[in-house]
Order: sequence, then structure tokens, then C-alpha cells
Amino acid sequence: NAGVTQTPKFQVLKTGQSMTLQCAQDMNHNSMYWYRQDPGMGLRLIYYSASEGTTDKGEVPNGYNVSRLNKREFSLRLESAAPSQTSVYFCASRGQPDSNQPQHFGDGTRLSIL
Amino acid sequence: TQLLEQSPQFLSIQEGENLTVYCNSSSVFSSLQWYRQEPGEGPVLLVTVVTGGEVKKLKRLTFQFGDARKDSSLHITAAQPGDTGLYLCAGNRDDKIIFGKGTRLHILP
Repeated sequence: NAGVTQTPKFQVLKTGQSMTLQCAQDMNHNSMYWYRQDPGMGLRLIYYSASEGTTDKGEVPNGYNVSRLNKREFSLRLESAAPSQTSVYFCASRGQPDSNQPQHFGDGTRLSIL
Repeated sequence: TQLLEQSPQFLSIQEGENLTVYCNSSSVFSSLQWYRQEPGEGPVLLVTVVTGGEVKKLKRLTFQFGDARKDSSLHITAAQPGDTGLYLCAGNRDDKIIFGKGTRLHILP
């Protein structure tokens, strides 16, 4: 019963390097989300995908790109990492957008940019 | 501008005490959700409140949705060390969920 799986769990990058964070869900959910969580800032939405084939910007999209590869997978890419992108990144999914259904979260990717 | 304001930000109390944390907004949400997050893990849903004035109970936890669907509260009776964690409220708006910054709760044995 995996739910939402994120890889890697930890990563250290140098400024300017690129990296893709992977997320997969096995609950046949339509909507998927990427958040970052920083101390004192709560969870901030980076990008989301309401359904397969669509993506939209959230609150803090600058410096990131996303790909909804198929219904199961939603990846987050940092093209040129910056120290300000040091954070814990969470992927989430839920059955339908625009509903009262809960989001199911992965365990996060802890990313440090030196 | 933070759409959802949670208070207090931090709370440290003795085991057995009661506490209430708040989630306030000037905006109306179709529903509010409460999540709990433990270190090294993602948030996990505790409850969803949908109807204005709704009260839901989950063992020692009581959740209330404001009549105008702009605010919510979480009351814990006889807090236990196992209640320690980060409590997040989240409001449903369109196809997104907007989170507050959270209340970090520490229950001392």
C-alpha cells in the first residue's frame, strides 16, 4: 500500500546544478501537487496538475518546471538550483480537484543547495 | 498575504491540560481540513469540515467550522505526549488546497 512515493529522499546539490524530483501515486488519483515547506512558512504550492495533461502554476513557481508524465507520475525539475531553493519538497495527490477530498502526501525530499 | 492564519504558532503544555488552536481567514472556503505532520513525514489528514457550524469529534479532538465557513478551531482535551506534532489547517478553494503556517504543539510528560 505505497500511496505517494517520492524519490530521492535526500539530495545535496551545488548552485547551478539541475535535478528532477520524482513522484508517483498508485491510487488512480487525477490531481497531483508539488509543495515546498520551509521553517515558519508552512506548505506553499509550487505547481499542480488538476488532471493528466494539464499543469498550472501555484504560489511560488519561479525556478521550477513540472511534467505530468502520465496519470501516476508528476515530476518537479530545478533547471539551475539556487540556495533559496533549499527546502523540503512534498508531492501530494487527490482523487478530484475542486472537491472536499483530502490530499495524500509523500514523505518528502530534503534538498540542500550549497 | 497569508490567506489562512493559524494561532498560536507554538504551544507547549503539560500532559493532561486542554488546548485550542485556531485557523482564521477573511475568505470563505468550501471546506476546511486539518492535517497533522510528524517529523520526517508528510501531513496526514485528521478531518474535513464542510458545513458552516459543523462540529466533528475524533476521540479527544474536537473540530469546529465557523458559521460563515471562514474559520475553524481544534480543541484537544487532556492532551497526551502522542499529540505532539505540527497541526496544519487547509482551505479548499477551486482546485487547490491552501495551507496555513501551522501550530507546533509540544506536550510535556
